[in-house]
Amino acid sequence: GENVEQHPSTLSVQEGDSAVIKCTYSDSASNYFPWYKQELGKGPQLIIDIRSNVGEKKDQRIAVTLNKTAKHFSLHITETQPEDSAVYFCAAKGGNEKLTFGTGTRLTIIP
Amino acid sequence: EADIYQTPRYLVIGTGKKITLECSQTMGHDKMYWYQQDPGMELHLIHYSYGVNSTEKGDLSSESTVSRIRTEHFPLTLESARPSHTSQYLCASSEGFRHTGELFFGEGSRLTVL
Repeated sequence: GENVEQHPSTLSVQEGDSAVIKCTYSDSASNYFPWYKQELGKGPQLIIDIRSNVGEKKDQRIAVTLNKTAKHFSLHITETQPEDSAVYFCAAKGGNEKLTFGTGTRLTIIP
Repeated sequence: EADIYQTPRYLVIGTGKKITLECSQTMGHDKMYWYQQDPGMELHLIHYSYGVNSTEKGDLSSESTVSRIRTEHFPLTLESARPSHTSQYLCASSEGFRHTGELFFGEGSRLTVL
């Protein structure tokens, strides 16, 4: 089955700087890669996703890049703000239609 | 805003008690899921359902059971709670196979077994 690795597990960045979280996946048939943000005391919420026919997607301060050859994808957050502090999960949807989550990254924005 | 609700949000019970965690969604989604989330953050799929009368075990073995008698309702039951069941339980739903597959999560039920 699919295996998704996520790094780093914790990340601290100065407010205003950029944050990058990286994930790799194992199933070459995977075609859908969402990112979820989980704030304290809440359930995860989809913030951006990308399909395998696209190399990059942007939504305001967040962007996701996908390298299908290397089987890795990354989340980029620019001009970070205190409200960006949360746990972020990457995920990959494999050929069996199952969504596999990464292990999570706890992002802390330092004011 | 996701229309998926979990109750109770917090539950503290003694060993051996039977508990049911409730999950309801008003979006008419076919697929529903239960995830167990440890303090280490990882999300472990323990049960899922493709529709009414369909239930499947997830990737992580769990002593809990689920039922899906109505589309909107997906309760999780522990017949005899133990301290090892202490965890955060997250319910989620999504549309069918041919859609994006976005998961909508509830806010979670934090269970503590003494």
